Amino acid sequence: GESVGLHLPTLSVQEGDNSIINCAYSNSASDYFIWYKQESGKGPQFIIDIRSNMDKRQGQRVTVLLNKTVKHLSLQIAATQPGDSAVYFCAENVGSYIPTFGRGTSLIVHP
Amino acid sequence: DAGVIQSPRHEVTEMGQEVTLRCKPISGHNSLFWYRQTMMRGLELLIYFNNNVPIDDSGMPEDRFSAKMPNASFSTLKIQPSEPRDSAVYFCASSENSPLHFGNGTRLTVT
Repeated sequence: GESVGLHLPTLSVQEGDNSIINCAYSNSASDYFIWYKQESGKGPQFIIDIRSNMDKRQGQRVTVLLNKTVKHLSLQIAATQPGDSAVYFCAENVGSYIPTFGRGTSLIVHP
Repeated sequence: DAGVIQSPRHEVTEMGQEVTLRCKPISGHNSLFWYRQTMMRGLELLIYFNNNVPIDDSGMPEDRFSAKMPNASFSTLKIQPSEPRDSAVYFCASSENSPLHFGNGTRLTVT
């Protein structure tokens, strides 16, 4: 079956810098995308979502961009903080809230 | 709201023993999911319930795995007999036509 994948398994940034985490998806029928954050010892937590009829959505310090032409999703974190250190997963859905998860990208924020 | 509650947090058992993982979803959520997370395979959906009825169990690895949801506030995932390759973190999640809310997982080690 089709799957969600990530370009970078580990991303290291300095505190205060902006972070960009990328995700490629292959199912052109996917219509809903979600970013989750997983801290050590915890379950994934919802960060932000976007539907396929949008190309950009902003939250607090986070922005998700969707490029359906190349099937690419990104999560931008502004002014990255040590508390942002975690594994970030993108997930795609086809007509439901049952996500298919990518493998995850580890974000390491250096003070 | 206390969120999704899973127990135990850690379970260490010997091969061949029965293991039962427990989950209390968020009150009012009509869907419940069991996921397994490993380094090799990432987050895998095992089974999900809607209104206490199992909808899709195609992710359950084999007959040794079974899941029940006797009522809207409780679910179990049972492995009998357990094997070392079952070692993983097992997550329960719930939702109400929304992004999933995850518990903090049960880390299972089978020796």
